[in-house]
Amino acid sequence: EAGVAQSPRYKIIEKRQSVAFWCNPISGHATLYWYQQILGQGPKLLIQFQNNGVVDDSQLPKDRFSAERLKGVDSTLKIQPAKLEDSAVYLCASSLAQGLATFGSGTRLTVV
Amino acid sequence: GQNIDQPTEMTATEGAIVQINCTYQTSGFNGLFWYQQHAGEAPTFLSYNVLDGLEEKGRFSSFLSRSKGYSYLLLKELQMKDSASYLCAVRPSGYSTLTFGKGTMLLVSP
Repeated sequence: EAGVAQSPRYKIIEKRQSVAFWCNPISGHATLYWYQQILGQGPKLLIQFQNNGVVDDSQLPKDRFSAERLKGVDSTLKIQPAKLEDSAVYLCASSLAQGLATFGSGTRLTVV
Repeated sequence: GQNIDQPTEMTATEGAIVQINCTYQTSGFNGLFWYQQHAGEAPTFLSYNVLDGLEEKGRFSSFLSRSKGYSYLLLKELQMKDSASYLCAVRPSGYSTLTFGKGTMLLVSP
C-alpha cells in the first residue's frame, strides 16, 4: 500500500513569513497526526484528527499554528508567522482508529 | 502527564548485542512502542508491548515490566545499518496518541 505522503520535503523561509505543509494519509486511515520533531529530540504531537474532527490540539501553539483536515482525508498545517524556534521536521502520521501509526518522511523547515 | 527517559547516545561494535533502556511515568498505559529512525527519515515501527514479558522479532526483542515502568529494546548481531535513533513511545490508556521519548542515538562501529 502507498505510504503517508508529505510535501514539500524541505522549506526555508525567513522569520515572520508564512508556510504550509501538506499531508495525504494512507487510504482508509481515519486518524491523522501532525508531530513536530526538533533536532535531537523525539516527535511531539501538535494535533490529532479523527476523520475531520480534532481529537487533541492541546500542544498546538494556536496563536501561530493552524491545521485542517477537510473531507477527512488530506490535511494541511500552517504556521503564520514563523519564528526561529519553529525550525524542525514536521511529521505527518496516520492510523486506523486505534492502530499503529505510520509516519511520512516529513517536511524539514528551516526558519532564518 | 507523561515522562519518558532513555539514554541520549550509545555505541556498540558490529556483531555485538546492545540493550537500550526506557523508563516511563504516565497517567495511564495502553502500550509501549519502539521505533527506529535513520537520519533524515521517518520513524519506522519496530515493536509493541502491552503485556509484561519479552517480544521477539528476528534480531530485535523488546521487554516490558509495567509494574516497574520499564522497557528495553535488545538488538542482536548488530549491523552497520542499525546505526540510527531508537525512539521509545507510550500510548496512554484511552487514547491512540503516542508520547515519545527523546530517542537514543546508536552508533555501530566496525
